[in-house]
Parts: sequence; C-alpha cells; structure tokens
Amino acid sequence: NAGVTQTPKFRVLKTGQSMTLLCAQDMNHEYMYWYRQDPGMGLRLIHYSVGEGTTAKGEVPDGYNVSRLKKQNFLLGLESAAPSQTSVYFCASSYRQVSEKLFFGSGTQLSVL
Amino acid sequence: AQKVTQAQTEISVVEKEDVTLDCVYETRDTTYYLFWYKQPPSGELVFLIRRNSFDEQNEISGRYSWNFQKSTSSFNFTITASQVVDSAVYFCALSVAHSTSGTYKYIFGTGTRLKVLA
Repeated sequence: NAGVTQTPKFRVLKTGQSMTLLCAQDMNHEYMYWYRQDPGMGLRLIHYSVGEGTTAKGEVPDGYNVSRLKKQNFLLGLESAAPSQTSVYFCASSYRQVSEKLFFGSGTQLSVL
Repeated sequence: AQKVTQAQTEISVVEKEDVTLDCVYETRDTTYYLFWYKQPPSGELVFLIRRNSFDEQNEISGRYSWNFQKSTSSFNFTITASQVVDSAVYFCALSVAHSTSGTYKYIFGTGTRLKVLA
C-alpha cells in the first residue's frame, strides 16, 4: 500500500522559477490538502480540495495554485518562486468526515535561492 | 475562532523518564475531534490517537497515555519510560465541522520537539 506519495522529495529553485509538486493517493480519499511546515509555525494549510474538480484556499494561499483533475491526484504549483516559499511541503488526504485522521506524504524540501 | 496551543517548544529528557506534552485548544463548537500526530526525524507525520468531544475517557496504549479534560480544554499526552525512538516532533490538532459548507477544518498546534537522551 503506497498511501500518499509526494514527488519530488527535494528541489532547489532560483527566484522566479516555477515548479509543480505532485501528490498521489491510492486510498480513494475525497479530501486532499497541501500544508507547509516552517520552524516554530507548525503546519499551515495552503489549499485543499473536497473532491475531484474542486479546490479551496487555506490559511496561506498566496503565491500558490492547485488543481485536482483526478480524484487521486492533487497538484501544487508555484508560478514564480520566492525565497519566502522555502519550506517543507506536505500533502495529506482523508475521508470526508470531521472525525477522520489525515494520512500524510513524506514531504518535499523546497529551497528557493 | 479555533486555536491549538502547544506551549512547550522543545523538551529534553533522559531515557526512561516520563514526559508529558501539553495541548490546549479553543473552540466554541460542541462537536469536535482532537488528534495527536508524531513526526519522527524521517519527516512523515504519523497518526497516534483521536478523541471526540463527548468522550473524556483517558486512554492508554502501551507506554502512551492521553488525558482529555474538557473543563480545562486540554488534551495532554504522556510517554512513560521514554525511549530514544520517541524522539520526534509531536503535533496536537483540532478538527471541527463548518456549520454551512459541510466540510471541516483542521487546526494544528506548532508542535513540541521531544529529545530523549540515552
């Protein structure tokens, strides 16, 4: 069982470059999320999706875009990377209930120079 | 507004000591869920426990125990006889349902880094 798979695991960008992070889950989860983790700030929600074809803004959406064309995939895009986007990015997924736990990917370490 | 506070940024203990990680939450909702997750050095967050707002029973699982007290809005986590493998960042989280959208909101604390020294 793969669970939640994130690619790539590491990436270094120059300011202004663009990139896409891919998240795939094989558990048929309706909900998917992108978080960023920064020292002392815990996990902050960037964007989330409650189903195929839907996306919504989280707590810190600026500078990011997302797409959920297929239920199992959730893409996070950075159109013009900035040093402030240097962070560890986590994808997560869950079933559609307030009581459900989140399943996390292993994270992507992104550095923007 | 909802909030989760983990006031302890970092704790260091010597192996075999007991340690308690504090979590205080804020919400006006009557139905909510509380969670603890562990993030080992490998990075991936792993679910540890879930507790709903109507169940104040404490829970014990091996060396882990959780104390949920609605009166103080706390959901504390205790590791008994800590081991080096317990070294990790631990996150407390709160889940509440949106009243109109049918979706729900997950709020994480800032995490507590636990270092268990041999």
